[in-house]
Amino acid sequence: EIVMTQSPATLSVSPGERATLSCRASQSVSSDLAWYQQKPGQAPRLLIYGASTRATGIPARFSGSGSGTQFTLTISSLQSEDFAVYYCQQYNTWLRTFGQGTKVEIK
Amino acid sequence: QVQLQESGPGLVKPSQTLSLTCTVSSGSISSGNYYWSWIRQPAGKGLEWIGRIYTSGSTNYNPSLNSRVTISLDTSKKQFSLKLSSVTAADTAVYYCAREAPSTGNWYFDLWGRGTLVTVSS
Repeated sequence: EIVMTQSPATLSVSPGERATLSCRASQSVSSDLAWYQQKPGQAPRLLIYGASTRATGIPARFSGSGSGTQFTLTISSLQSEDFAVYYCQQYNTWLRTFGQGTKVEIK
Repeated sequence: QVQLQESGPGLVKPSQTLSLTCTVSSGSISSGNYYWSWIRQPAGKGLEWIGRIYTSGSTNYNPSLNSRVTISLDTSKKQFSLKLSSVTAADTAVYYCAREAPSTGNWYFDLWGRGTLVTVSS
């Protein structure tokens, strides 16, 4: 099983500031990585796949980078609706695994 | 717009079998290049992939649950189902059904149900 580790667990950011979230895989997943956003009481929403491709309708302030074992999700200028929990997920192996999540909260 | 909707008992007794169904609002569940999946989330915790069924009917299960999980398709009803046997309190979670779709070699969960809370308690 590929273990996905996200850091930090909680990120406190002021609106308008930049947020950088990290995700590390226990072994290479190439670029087979997706990012999801989850707000309280809601299902996760796909943001990024292929490590860096934004899903349909996702604003350009969300960007993803990385390959192999190290990945980053950057939110360039946080809007009020971006405060949520973010999960990375690998699909390099049939056993899909998620990171434990990073909560982005208002500073 | 395809939608997914989970249904099933919200309370299951320990040692019994948890049974949930996901109804797909439109389109065929047995055609197309999709995986129909179950994912769960204990309160305040992260997401755990339970398993999936392909449109052909082939399945994959999380080894941590493998011996207790069965996922099946009912194409006539446009539904897929989850059965989890011998449940304990550790199986208490919000259960999501989701569709995993491909795009240029990538796979992602593009559609999710709203989730249903299942509590295991006597």
